[in-house]
Amino acid sequence: GEDVEQSLFLSVREGDSSVINCTYTDSSSTYLYWYKQEPGAGLQLLTYIFSNMDMKQDQRLTVLLNKKDKHLSLRIADTQTGDSAIYFCAETAGGTSYGKLTFGQGTILTVHP
Amino acid sequence: DGGITQSPKYLFRKEGQNVTLSCEQNLNHDAMYWYRQDPGQGLRLIYYSQIVNDFQKGDIAEGYSVSREKKESFPLTVTSAQKNPTAFYLCASSPTVNTEAFFGQGTRLTVV
Repeated sequence: GEDVEQSLFLSVREGDSSVINCTYTDSSSTYLYWYKQEPGAGLQLLTYIFSNMDMKQDQRLTVLLNKKDKHLSLRIADTQTGDSAIYFCAETAGGTSYGKLTFGQGTILTVHP
Repeated sequence: DGGITQSPKYLFRKEGQNVTLSCEQNLNHDAMYWYRQDPGQGLRLIYYSQIVNDFQKGDIAEGYSVSREKKESFPLTVTSAQKNPTAFYLCASSPTVNTEAFFGQGTRLTVV
């Protein structure tokens, strides 16, 4: 079955860049997503990338996709304390159920002043 | 405002009781989903529905039931058959042909 793996923890200083990594196994993944979850809250979609792209930039966020290695990363430039949260990588084969997602375990990002 | 509303935010139940979690959306989305989140784990799909009066089991459907009588509503019942029901439950919805799923704020269920 599909599997998505992430490292569990990342700690950075305010102003540095953060890089969160993710690997997946499903070759039929059509879209790959990054979600952010703050304590006690739901998930907020940060960005996504279509599987035929290798990079997407959106303000402070850069997503890199290496489809050959099935590796996805999220880079947050100029990380702020407000970026402290859990970040989930997720994938879907799409079709008619874009919400049918396979999630990684989540990476807890801690930003120190 | 458009969005997904889950209620209540916190729910306590005694072991052996069934409990129903509410999820309502006014986004006119066809598809709706229920996920369960446990500490240190990603979200796991319980049930999903692509259209009214139809739903499919996800990866961890045992001990749960759903209904989809209206497009706007997708309630989840946690039955006494669910062995470890204490968790954070998230509802989501998506249009049929779009790239995004939208999530509610979650319900934290504690069974004592």
